[in-house]
Amino acid sequence: AQKVTQAQTEISVVEKEDVTLDCVYETRDTTYYLFWYKQPPSGELVFLIRRNSFDEQNEISGRYSWNFQKSTSSFNFTITASQVVDSAVYFCALLGGGADGLTFGKGTHLIIQP
Amino acid sequence: ETGVTQTPRHLVMGMTNKKSLKCEQHLGHNAMYWYKQSAKKPLELMFVYNFKEQTENNSVPSRFSPECPNSSHLFLHLHTLQPEDSALYLCASSQDVPGGVLVRNTEAFFGQGTRLTVV
Repeated sequence: AQKVTQAQTEISVVEKEDVTLDCVYETRDTTYYLFWYKQPPSGELVFLIRRNSFDEQNEISGRYSWNFQKSTSSFNFTITASQVVDSAVYFCALLGGGADGLTFGKGTHLIIQP
Repeated sequence: ETGVTQTPRHLVMGMTNKKSLKCEQHLGHNAMYWYKQSAKKPLELMFVYNFKEQTENNSVPSRFSPECPNSSHLFLHLHTLQPEDSALYLCASSQDVPGGVLVRNTEAFFGQGTRLTVV
C-alpha cells in the first residue's frame, strides 16, 4: 500500500525566513507521480507541482523549490524568503500505478508570522 | 475560478436529515472524485467515477451515496449522518486516458469544498 508521511504537523516561522516542508513516501511502484498542493484558509486545494519518478531534477519556481531524492524516497518543498501569504496547509501526495486518485499526507500547517 | 464548483460551501445538518452536496466541473474532464478531509486525518479518497462509472468505493459507509449523472456533475447524497462525519468534503476532477495507467490522472483540480457539520 502507498503511504505519504509529512512528519511536521505545524511549522511557524517569521516572515522572510526560509522554510522546508518534508515529505517521505512509500510505494512499490517503479513509476509514480508526486505532487504538492497548497490549501489556503478558503479550503480549496491549489496545485503547485507534479514530478514523475523518472525525473529527479530539482525544480525552482520563484520562491518555491522542490528537492526530489529517490534514494531516500523524499520530495521536500522549500519556500525561500517566506511571506505571510504563504500561510496555509501544504499537502504532499502520491499517485502510484494502480491508484485511483491520490494518496495524501496529513499536511503541514505553515504559519508565517509578520 | 478553479473550474470545479462545489455547493453549498457550508452545511449544518441534523442526524436525521437528508441533504446532497453538488460538484460541477467546467474543465471537460472525464473523471471525478469525492474526498473527505477530517481535522486530524489525511485526505481520504471516498469515491471515484471514470466516464460516469463508479470505479472506486473505499469502504465508505452506505449513509454516503454518490451519483454521477454525467461527466460534468457529481453528487454526494447524505442521510442519517453521525457527528464524526463532520468534515470538509472536497470534489476533484481530472482527465483520464482509458487503457493507460499513469497517463491518467496526472493532475487533479479541486473545488473549494463543503464544510459539513453534523449536529
